[in-house]
Amino acid sequence: SYELTQPPSVSVSPGQTARITCSGDILPKQYAYWYQQKPGQAPVLVINKDSERPSGIPERFYGSSSGTTLTLSISGAQPEDEADYHCQSVESSGSWVFGGGTKLTVL
Amino acid sequence: QVQLVQSGAEVKKPGASVKVSCKASGYTFTDYYMHWVRRAPGQGLEWMGWIIPNSGDTNYGQKFQGRVTMTRDTSIFTAYMELSSLRSDDTAVYYCARGRGYCSGGSCYSLTADYWGHGTLVTVSS
Repeated sequence: SYELTQPPSVSVSPGQTARITCSGDILPKQYAYWYQQKPGQAPVLVINKDSERPSGIPERFYGSSSGTTLTLSISGAQPEDEADYHCQSVESSGSWVFGGGTKLTVL
Repeated sequence: QVQLVQSGAEVKKPGASVKVSCKASGYTFTDYYMHWVRRAPGQGLEWMGWIIPNSGDTNYGQKFQGRVTMTRDTSIFTAYMELSSLRSDDTAVYYCARGRGYCSGGSCYSLTADYWGHGTLVTVSS
């Protein structure tokens, strides 16, 4: 089965661009997705199919993919963007695989 | 509006089973797959499997095969996840989440989830 690797933590100052990476051999073959999860809350889909922003997600959230690396960028990060971010993809069996999650700190 | 309302927190002893429910409203229950995902303390998200409410077909994660059973009752728009032979490392928040699905070449897939339940804390402790 495949693995997705994320950095455990990323820290930025307010207004800076935060970049969170997700790497894995499955990424050139399958779409990937990003979820934001704040403490005590359920995950929220913020990027669909590598780079599509679902309705209601601020424009500062941007997804990109190159080879085996997926990147979630948050331009002009705000304190309310502090959360855990999880990347996810789907194997040929239909099973989902998640990255380990990245804690974003904005301060 | 779409809502997935899960059952309340559970405390179980090692070796016991737990059954979590997820009641759907605001959409056609049989039009979407239902996933189950958990998050243990200090860990990332972990996918457990999905069920197709229309047919009852399931796809379980390899780690959980033999221990998890997903079912549904379409008459009350509710999906269930039962996990048996509980261990302390099964302590986690369990989420249901709906996703669009499709079948192709004899296999079925659901790529992502757009609405999630609020989560159910299951604590396994002696």
